[in-house]
Amino acid sequence: GAVVSQHPSWVICKSGTSVKIECRSLDFQATTMFWYRQFPKQSLMLMATSNEGSKATYEQGVEKDKFLINHASLTLSTLTVTSAHPEDSSFYICSASGLASFGQFFGPGTRLTVL
Amino acid sequence: AQSVAQPEDQVNVAEGNPLTVKCTYSVSGNPYLFWYVQYPNRGLQFLLKYITGDNLVKGSYGFEAEFNKSQTSFHLKKPSALVSDSALYFCAVRVNQAGTALIFGKGTTLSVSS
Repeated sequence: GAVVSQHPSWVICKSGTSVKIECRSLDFQATTMFWYRQFPKQSLMLMATSNEGSKATYEQGVEKDKFLINHASLTLSTLTVTSAHPEDSSFYICSASGLASFGQFFGPGTRLTVL
Repeated sequence: AQSVAQPEDQVNVAEGNPLTVKCTYSVSGNPYLFWYVQYPNRGLQFLLKYITGDNLVKGSYGFEAEFNKSQTSFHLKKPSALVSDSALYFCAVRVNQAGTALIFGKGTTLSVSS
């Protein structure tokens, strides 16, 4: 089956620093990638949708200048949390969808802790 | 607007007994329905999906789900629960083609006791 990886799997950073999270589709071309955020014991909340070569579409309430998303190739999307603060601490999960695919394949998630 | 409801925060069942995790949806158009399972500090694992065809869908690990259009439901079931089934289960819905995001329910914690 289709495999999606995320790196790093966990990261701890100081408040005010920026953190980049990578999401890669390992064995298929992901025309669309999605970024979700999950708080403990809560559901996944969609942050943004990115199509390869286009600007990401952000959900209402998500600051696009704080959560920078780049989808420069068909196998890689990155999420950069800029000037991170403790309230940005969360579990970030990406998913990828290929052309004409009904499925979405999820990465294993990245645990971000901002001190 | 699309939405998914999982009315139970937690479901408790004894090992060997059948289990049901409930899900109802609200969409305009034909729904594409999914079930995922999540273990602690892990990503989501796909269990099964309904796109079209038979209303009873069989998936991974012995799970199945029945699409009921009149009741707008897509309940997850398993005839005999295992302790290892204990996890967080999410129902999700999408309308139309690929390229649109999944909308998730709030999740249901399944606890299977030995």
